[in-house]
Amino acid sequence: NAGVTQTPKFQVLKTGQSMTLQCAQDMNHEYMSWYRQDPGMGLRLIHYSVGAGITDQGEVPNGYNVSRSTTEDFPLRLLSAAPSQTSVYFCASSYSPGTYYEQYFGPGTRLTVT
Amino acid sequence: SQQGEEDPQALSIQEGENATMNCSYKTSINNLQWYRQNSGRGLVHLILIRSNEREKHSGRLRVTLDTSKKSSSLLITASRAADTASYFCATDGGAITQGGSEKLVFGKGTKLTVNP
Repeated sequence: NAGVTQTPKFQVLKTGQSMTLQCAQDMNHEYMSWYRQDPGMGLRLIHYSVGAGITDQGEVPNGYNVSRSTTEDFPLRLLSAAPSQTSVYFCASSYSPGTYYEQYFGPGTRLTVT
Repeated sequence: SQQGEEDPQALSIQEGENATMNCSYKTSINNLQWYRQNSGRGLVHLILIRSNEREKHSGRLRVTLDTSKKSSSLLITASRAADTASYFCATDGGAITQGGSEKLVFGKGTKLTVNP
């Protein structure tokens, strides 16, 4: 099993550009989520999904869109990148909705917006 | 908003010593989890402790939970240089939805350095 994979590993965007961060898992997990990690801030939840076709907002959803058309994939779209979105982005998955089970994290995508 | 807050923010010890990190949270919880993050990597799950449990062990790790004080501690015994990492607690905020809260809220972490 590859676990949770994320692409790309690094990305530099100009302000106003859009892009999609990819996340895939091969563990047949129902629950997937996106976090951003900023220095001194810990991890903050952006969006999450409890199954294909179902998504909901987390703590910091503004400027991001998600969709979940399959169990395996949960892409995160930046609509119009801003310098405030410079961060490290982590995708995670778990067996069942959220917190009764451990979450498996991807290796992260380091995004810089200039 | 942060639910769990780790203390201390940074901890530096010598190899072989024990390391204790604390986590305090604000609202009642169903469970609390601890994660480790090596520099530049994703988080790795260490231990999940449920609200009706007081202590759990996993190898050199010992986690305690005191729901009356809304706090948890992570003890790493006989530390090694490879334990150098940031450690995060995460809680569910106590919400009951579809059999469990859907949101896991992380603290800001404790940065542990173990010197050889």
